[in-house]
This record gives sequence, structure tokens and C-alpha cells, in this order.
Amino acid sequence: GENVEQHPSTLSVQEGDSAVIKCTYSDSASNYFPWYKQELGKRPQLIIDIRSNVGEKKDQRIAVTLNKTAKHFSLHITETQPEDSAVYFCAASKDRDDKIIFGKGTRLHILP
Amino acid sequence: GAGVSQSPSNKVTEKGKDVELRCDPISGHTALYWYRQRLGQGLEFLIYFQGNSAPDKSGLPSDRFSAERTGESVSTLTIQRTQQEDSAVYLCASRGASNTGELFFGEGSRLTVL
Repeated sequence: GENVEQHPSTLSVQEGDSAVIKCTYSDSASNYFPWYKQELGKRPQLIIDIRSNVGEKKDQRIAVTLNKTAKHFSLHITETQPEDSAVYFCAASKDRDDKIIFGKGTRLHILP
Repeated sequence: GAGVSQSPSNKVTEKGKDVELRCDPISGHTALYWYRQRLGQGLEFLIYFQGNSAPDKSGLPSDRFSAERTGESVSTLTIQRTQQEDSAVYLCASRGASNTGELFFGEGSRLTVL
């Protein structure tokens, strides 16, 4: 079955700097890759997703890139702000109508 | 309802007891997922229901775990003979039939096994 690895487990960046979180997946049939943000004590919420027919997607300060050949995908957050502090989870799925397997998460700390 | 509802929000039980956790998905959502999140850990897939199809049970960690869903409504996750390692937050999520794959999570049920 699908296995999603996520790195780093913890990341600290200065406010205003960029943060990058990387994930790899094992199942070449996966074609849907969402990212979820979980603030402390709250439920995970979708922040951005990408499908295998595109290599990059942007939404304001957030971007996701996908390399299907290498089975890598990454989340990029630019101009980080205090409210970006949270745990971020990457995930992979063969289809939107399939189970979604999550990575173990990255705890992002934005330093003042 | 407006969102995914889970109950109980907190459950403390003794080792060896059975527990039932309930999830009410967003009305009309055909897909329902259960995940387990141990303290400070990731989202561990347990089971996935899609409409009237057979559920994907590939994530259930042992035969002590089972789940049911009635049609496209309420789901119940049952843990029999609970063990201390079952202590975690159990999150339910639902997804609609639209073109997006977004999961809408409930607040979770925090289970503590003493």
C-alpha cells in the first residue's frame, strides 16, 4: 500500500523567511496530493492540493510542487507569519475517491 | 448539520473495556474516513467508507477494531478489549461528491485507556 514520508519533523524559521516541507510517496498510481494544516488543539484543514497533471500550484504565499518521476512533492511558504505556526501534513491518494494516506507531519515554528 | 460531529469528545475507560465512538458526517457527504492520532503524531488511516461500496479496512490495526456505517449517514468505530496503546484522538472526516477531494474533519474523540 501507499507510504508517505515527510521531512523535516520539526522546522523553525524566522518570521519573514521561507519554509519548505518535503514529502515522498511510494505508489506510482497516486495522483492526488493534498496538504493539511493543524493548529494547536484544532482539526486539520485543507490548505492546498495538487493533482498529477500539473507540476506546480500557487495560492498567495503558499505553493506546492510535484515531481511525479521522483515521487516527490513539496510545500513552500513564503514571507512566513506567526499564524503559520502549526503542524502541516502532506498526503497522497490514487484518486479523490480513494483512501488518503498522510505523512507524519511537520511542526513549523515561526520565530519572532 | 453544519460540520462533522463526533461523540463523545472525551472518553476515559479501563483497560479491557469496549468503547464506541460516533461520527455524524456532513449531510450528503458520501465518503467517510476514520483516522487515529496519537499524541504529537501523524494521522494514521484506519478505515474508509464510500457510498454503498465495501469499506476499505486496510488500516485497522487489529481485529479488536471495527467500524460500521449506515448508508451515507452515521458511522460507529468500536474498539473491543481496549489496551493502553489505544489511547489517542480518533478523528472522523467526510468528503462530498464534488470535484474537490477536501476532507472535512470533526473535532475528534479523545480516548484515554487507564
